[in-house]
Amino acid sequence: GAVVSQHPSWVICKSGTSVKIECRSLDFQATTMFWYRQFPKQSLMLMATSNEGSKATYEQGVEKDKFLINHASLTLSTLTVTSAHPEDSSFYICSASSSGSLAGELFFGEGSRLTVL
Amino acid sequence: AQSVTQLGSHVSVSEGALVLLRCNYSSSVPPYLFWYVQYPNQGLQLLLKYTTGATLVKGINGFEAEFKKSETSFHLTKPSAHMSDAAEYFCAVSGGTGRRALTFGSGTRLQVQP
Repeated sequence: GAVVSQHPSWVICKSGTSVKIECRSLDFQATTMFWYRQFPKQSLMLMATSNEGSKATYEQGVEKDKFLINHASLTLSTLTVTSAHPEDSSFYICSASSSGSLAGELFFGEGSRLTVL
Repeated sequence: AQSVTQLGSHVSVSEGALVLLRCNYSSSVPPYLFWYVQYPNQGLQLLLKYTTGATLVKGINGFEAEFKKSETSFHLTKPSAHMSDAAEYFCAVSGGTGRRALTFGSGTRLQVQP
């Protein structure tokens, strides 16, 4: 099946620094990628939708200047948390779909746990 | 717009017992419905999905779910629980090809007692 890989799996950073998380589709071309955020023991909340070669579409309440998303190629999307603060600590999960995938099929990465000190 | 309600944030069953995890959805368009499983500190693994066609859907690890339009439900079942089934389960809905992002329910943590 299709594989989506995220890196890093774990990251700890100091408050005020920026952190970049990568999401790669390993064996298919992902025309659309979705970034989710999951707080402990809670569900996944959609943050933004990124389409290759265009600006991301952010969900209401998500600061686009804080969570920078770049989808520069059909196999890579990045999420940069800028000027991170402790409240940004969370589990970030990406998912991807391809133009050739079955309708509604999404493939999820392993997730990246961010801890901001 | 879509929404998902999972009844019961925690479900505990004995090994070998029936597993029933409840999911009700709301959608303004014909929905695509999914069940995912998540193990600690890991991403999501697709258990099964309903798009069109047969309303009883069989998935991996012996799980199945039935789409009931009249009840707006998509409950997940497994005849006999195994210890390895202990995990967090999420029901999700999408608006089909019109909106491919998934809307997730709040999740149900399944515990399996020996």
